[in-house]
Amino acid sequence: GNSVTQMEGPVTLSEEAFLTINCTYTATGYPSLFWYVQYPGEGLQLLLKATKADDKGSNKGFEATYRKETTSFHLEKGSVQVSDSAVYFCALLASGGSYIPTFGRGTSLIVHP
Amino acid sequence: EAEVAQSPRYKITEKSQAVAFWCDPISGHATLYWYRQILGQGPELLVQFQDESVVDDSQLPKDRFSAERLKGVDSTLKIQPAELGDSAMYLCASSPGQGVGYNEQFFGPGTRLTVL
Repeated sequence: GNSVTQMEGPVTLSEEAFLTINCTYTATGYPSLFWYVQYPGEGLQLLLKATKADDKGSNKGFEATYRKETTSFHLEKGSVQVSDSAVYFCALLASGGSYIPTFGRGTSLIVHP
Repeated sequence: EAEVAQSPRYKITEKSQAVAFWCDPISGHATLYWYRQILGQGPELLVQFQDESVVDDSQLPKDRFSAERLKGVDSTLKIQPAELGDSAMYLCASSPGQGVGYNEQFFGPGTRLTVL
């Protein structure tokens, strides 16, 4: 079956540090890949997405590149802010007759001033 | 800005009681999802609807959970009877299009269920 593996958290950084959150996946066919963010007490919201190999998704300074050869979709940001503190989820939509979503366990990010 | 609505936001119940959650997706969104999210984990898909039809319910505990989307618009998820292990956040999401693999999901705020 399909699966998404994310690095364990929490990731704790100082403001303006570089961020990487690793995500690898297993899927049949050619999935679309997503990063969602969840702030405390809220539902998930889309951060960025990529729909085919070598696509780069970007939003609010965050980037992730769809690497088919390594089945990865790592999230990066050059300079994090305290307001980026949240839980980040990697997800995929893979075709298997219907597009069924699969989420990773989430990685908590804590940014200190 | 259109949003996915869920109610109630919080629900406390005793085990063996029945509970129901309601979701109203963004207008025009054909696909509706119900997820269970246990604290510290990612969302687990319970059921996916395309209009009024169930696309996937392979992870739905059918002995106690049921879901319906009778007119292909809003949806209800029911648990009867509730068990202690059902305590979790129940998330509803919707997505435009039919059978499209690249569309994002729009999530509601969730219903926090506590079973005592």
